[in-house]
Amino acid sequence: DIQMTQSPSSLSASVGDRVTITCRASQSISNYLNWYQQKPGKAPKLLIYAASSLQSGVPSRFSGSGSGTDFTLTISSVQPEDVATYYCQQSYSISRTFGRGTKVEIK
Amino acid sequence: QVQLQESGPGLVKPSETLSLTCAVSGYSISSGYYWGWIRQPPGKGLEWIGSIYHSGSTYYNPSLKSRVTISVDTSKNHFSLNLSSVTAADTAVYYCARESEETGTADYWGQGTLVTVSS
Repeated sequence: DIQMTQSPSSLSASVGDRVTITCRASQSISNYLNWYQQKPGKAPKLLIYAASSLQSGVPSRFSGSGSGTDFTLTISSVQPEDVATYYCQQSYSISRTFGRGTKVEIK
Repeated sequence: QVQLQESGPGLVKPSETLSLTCAVSGYSISSGYYWGWIRQPPGKGLEWIGSIYHSGSTYYNPSLKSRVTISVDTSKNHFSLNLSSVTAADTAVYYCARESEETGTADYWGQGTLVTVSS
């Protein structure tokens, strides 16, 4: 299995701050990397696919970058509604795997 | 608008088989895509269980492969999950999702259903 390591596991930021979450794959996955946002009690929601493509309807303050083994999700100006847990997922292998999640809170 | 809805028992006894169905509306399963199951134990992260291609080919998480069966019924436009010999560790919210053939991205998700394994 391809292991996905996410960091940090949690963070606290002020409204308007730039937030960066990283995800590292245990082997090269090209750009087969997706990011999901999950709010409490809700299903995950797709934010970014293919490492850097913004899903339709997702605010432009979200962006993704990276290829190979190292990837980043950035929120350019974090808003109160961005409080959630964020997961990366590799879809290079048919046996998909997720990172352990990053919980984002507002100070 | 594509919608997915999970259904099935919310309580399953240890050693028995967990069975869930995902009804799809707004899109015909036979037209394409992978159709998958993902679970999330209470307070924990996401775990991919497996997927089925519209043609019927299946792909499973190696750690669950011996206990999982995913099937599709195109006439009813739904797909199903069977997980055998369950234990308390299988207690989780179970989600179904549509997965892109090109990117493997899960773009549409069901709302999830909590299944508790307990006697």
